[in-house]
Amino acid sequence: NAGVTQTPKFQVLKTGQSMTLQCAQDMNHNSMYWYRQDPGMGLRLIYYSASEGTTDKGEVPNGYNVSRLNKREFSLRLESAAPSQTSVYFCASSEGISSYNEQFFGPGTRLTVL
Amino acid sequence: RKEVEQDPGPFNVPEGATVAFNCTYSNSASQSFFWYRQDCRKEPKLLMSVYSSGNEDGRFTAQLNRASQYISLLIRDSKLSDSATYLCAVLGSARQLTFGSGTQLTVLP
Repeated sequence: NAGVTQTPKFQVLKTGQSMTLQCAQDMNHNSMYWYRQDPGMGLRLIYYSASEGTTDKGEVPNGYNVSRLNKREFSLRLESAAPSQTSVYFCASSEGISSYNEQFFGPGTRLTVL
Repeated sequence: RKEVEQDPGPFNVPEGATVAFNCTYSNSASQSFFWYRQDCRKEPKLLMSVYSSGNEDGRFTAQLNRASQYISLLIRDSKLSDSATYLCAVLGSARQLTFGSGTQLTVLP
């Protein structure tokens, strides 16, 4: 099992460009998440999907959209990238959103917006 | 005030030392608590969940103090391989996991 995979690993964008970060999991998990990690800020939740067909905003959703394409895949889209979106983006998945479900993280996408 | 706060360190300790990290949280309705480990430029991985009664896994001990709203992680007999950033995470009533900013540990030979 690959666990959680993310593409691309690295990306450089110019301000105003758009892109989609892809995430897939092969653990048959119901819930999926997108976080960003900035120096000194820890991980912050952007959006999550508790189950296929649902998505909800997290702590920092502005400037992002998500799509839960199917049970396996959860994508994050930046419609008009801004330098403030330079960050490392992690996708995660868990069996569900209940208290004891461990979240498994993908390897991350390092995004730079110039 | 941040929802979850950690001392960023860095903590530099010699091999074999005991080191403890604390993490405070502001939401008294928080339900579950975790410690994650993150190696440099890698993804976070769950180290251990933190239960009300405290729990131990080998050299690692996690404790929860609900009255004072903090969790702790104790590492005994530190190894070089323990060098990493340790993130605490708190699951709130909205079922969202909030992470601290992490504490960097370097174990020195």
